[in-house]
Amino acid sequence: SQTIHQWPATLVQPVGSPLSLECTVEGTSNPNLYWYRQAAGRGLQLLFYSVGIGQISSEVPQNLSASRPQDRQFILSSKKLLLSDSGFYLCAWSVSRQRITDTQYFGPGTRLTVL
Amino acid sequence: KQEVTQIPAALSVPEGENLVLNCSFTDSAIYNLQWFRQDPGKGLTSLLLIQSSQREQTSGRLNASLDKSSGRSTLYIAASQPGDSATYLCAVNSNYQLIWGAGTKLIIKP
Repeated sequence: SQTIHQWPATLVQPVGSPLSLECTVEGTSNPNLYWYRQAAGRGLQLLFYSVGIGQISSEVPQNLSASRPQDRQFILSSKKLLLSDSGFYLCAWSVSRQRITDTQYFGPGTRLTVL
Repeated sequence: KQEVTQIPAALSVPEGENLVLNCSFTDSAIYNLQWFRQDPGKGLTSLLLIQSSQREQTSGRLNASLDKSSGRSTLYIAASQPGDSATYLCAVNSNYQLIWGAGTKLIIKP
């Protein structure tokens, strides 16, 4: 069966510090991978998606970046965090037949607080 | 531009009641619509997916309907239980993107 992992579960970082959140998927090959941010009381916002190693598409301009160094690994990074980067970050995967047409399966999320 | 709205934002009902959660969208040109459940501080769990050609999907005590022409979907929960307490999110697959509602926070009182 497929599982998706995210870490850390919670993170408190000062403004201006770097960020690295990791997501890994097990039990499937060549998945589509997604990073979302969920702000309090708002819907999910798609940040990045990837259809393959090294292929990253950005949906929202920001000071965040994403990388996919391996087939089942997706990393969200920032060189300098802003207060507005606080939120709940969710990683998801879907079957790679077509982009975002199948059910997406979500990881447990990372709660990021920037102080 | 597709927009998804969920009303109400919060709902509290006694255990055992049947209830309906609403999701509306502005552009009827959708590929599918999904309902998810999110427990506090946790990730999302997919509940039901309705393709644009379908009218409804059922899973246990859950029934989701889709009326594309009117831009509406409902999630019906029968015989609610305290374990149903969570935030319910709908997401519309439109123009190769998932557009999300802000969710309905549901509390089932024992």
